[in-house]
Amino acid sequence: KAGVTQTPRYLIKTRGQQVTLSCSPISGHRSVSWYQQTPGQGLQFLFEYFSETQRNKGNFPGRFSGRQFSNSRSEMNVSTLELGDSALYLCASSVLRGSEKLFFGSGTQLSVL
Amino acid sequence: EDKVVQSPLSLVVHEGDTVTLNCSYEVTNFRSLLWYKQEKKAPTFLFMLTSSGIEKKSGRLSSILDKKELSSILNITATQTGDSAIYLCAVEALTSGSRLTFGEGTQLTVNP
Repeated sequence: KAGVTQTPRYLIKTRGQQVTLSCSPISGHRSVSWYQQTPGQGLQFLFEYFSETQRNKGNFPGRFSGRQFSNSRSEMNVSTLELGDSALYLCASSVLRGSEKLFFGSGTQLSVL
Repeated sequence: EDKVVQSPLSLVVHEGDTVTLNCSYEVTNFRSLLWYKQEKKAPTFLFMLTSSGIEKKSGRLSSILDKKELSSILNITATQTGDSAIYLCAVEALTSGSRLTFGEGTQLTVNP
């Protein structure tokens, strides 16, 4: 069974640009969550999608958005990039919501110059 | 707001040593505490501890949940260089769905 797949693996953007990251969950998993990881901050929750609906949102500005498709694949978008958005963006999936271990992808390393 | 604090933030040991990593938490309506190992990019699941399952063991790794002290420890015995990684502790609340609150992590380095 394939794991959680995130693309692209690396991205370099400049301030003001926008970026779209993609996540394909494990087959059969319907819940997808996104996390931002930066040194000193740990993993910060961005949002969670289940059955194409956003179920939960973290404390991030509106520049961060996402969506989930009918096949459970998810995308997140960051508009008007800032230097502070440089981070590893991790996607995780689980079969259902809550009380289940999350399976993480290898992440997208975003660098904003 | 839910909070997780891990200590130490960094630890360097020699192969064969035993280490104890700590995690304390504050969470409204606790459901579970999870430990993950992050070697390169993707965190991999180690243990899930709940009110009904406060002790877990797998090989050289074991973990205990102290519901009274709102804390957990992760023990690794007879450490190996392959144990070098960031160990992440996270908590889940009853109403949070798949939202986990993570600590900063403990960077463990095992030298030969």
